[in-house]
Amino acid sequence: ILNVEQSPQSLHVQEGDSTNFTCSFPSSNFYALHWYRWETAKSPEALFVMTLNGDEKKKGRISATLNTKEGYSYLYIKGSQPEDSATYLCAFLSNNDMRFGAGTRLTVKP
Amino acid sequence: GAGVSQTPSNKVTEKGKYVELRCDPISGHTALYWYRQSLGQGPEFLIYFQGTGAADDSGLPNDRFFAVRPEGSVSTLKIQRTERGDSAVYLCASSLTGASYNEQFFGPGTRLTVL
Repeated sequence: ILNVEQSPQSLHVQEGDSTNFTCSFPSSNFYALHWYRWETAKSPEALFVMTLNGDEKKKGRISATLNTKEGYSYLYIKGSQPEDSATYLCAFLSNNDMRFGAGTRLTVKP
Repeated sequence: GAGVSQTPSNKVTEKGKYVELRCDPISGHTALYWYRQSLGQGPEFLIYFQGTGAADDSGLPNDRFFAVRPEGSVSTLKIQRTERGDSAVYLCASSLTGASYNEQFFGPGTRLTVL
């Protein structure tokens, strides 16, 4: 993988469902992986900064895992709420650049 | 305000014109980043400043794009001879340092439309 890829591109879930999505990135020259949440009409907001293989981070109902050897990170949302509706971006930082994925657009229906 | 601010929020210009987009980072943040986001895509890196100097400008698409940060705080992205393909949301972000473990704080963006 040369670029940062996120899947799925979009996701619709019902309130209360748990969900997860994937960020795939190059497995070489890894420095850090950032997850951002971007609500419509607002600025992207940092969720997690992950730097070590095996990292697991948690903030409320949202958690993330990191596997730098195989080049992927998962973001999990437990018990989705309508206010979780947003685009979730991951960004891969290497020693010479920072690349964002196209994002996963999550819509949580009440 | 304590956040990153960008002005203008919207800019409509005609093809061939010159535009300047401004970013005010969070006070004390030494690193500043410019990104461009086109419809349906993630932010695309343009340039990164550490202090007053451009530490990495490899993302600038061509020589019509130029950015400055003369005093290590406010930055201006300048686009000459704008083209319709330059239409996008231009995002600015700052972080405490340029270290990869520092989260970036984003501004609200400037939506540029080139007619």
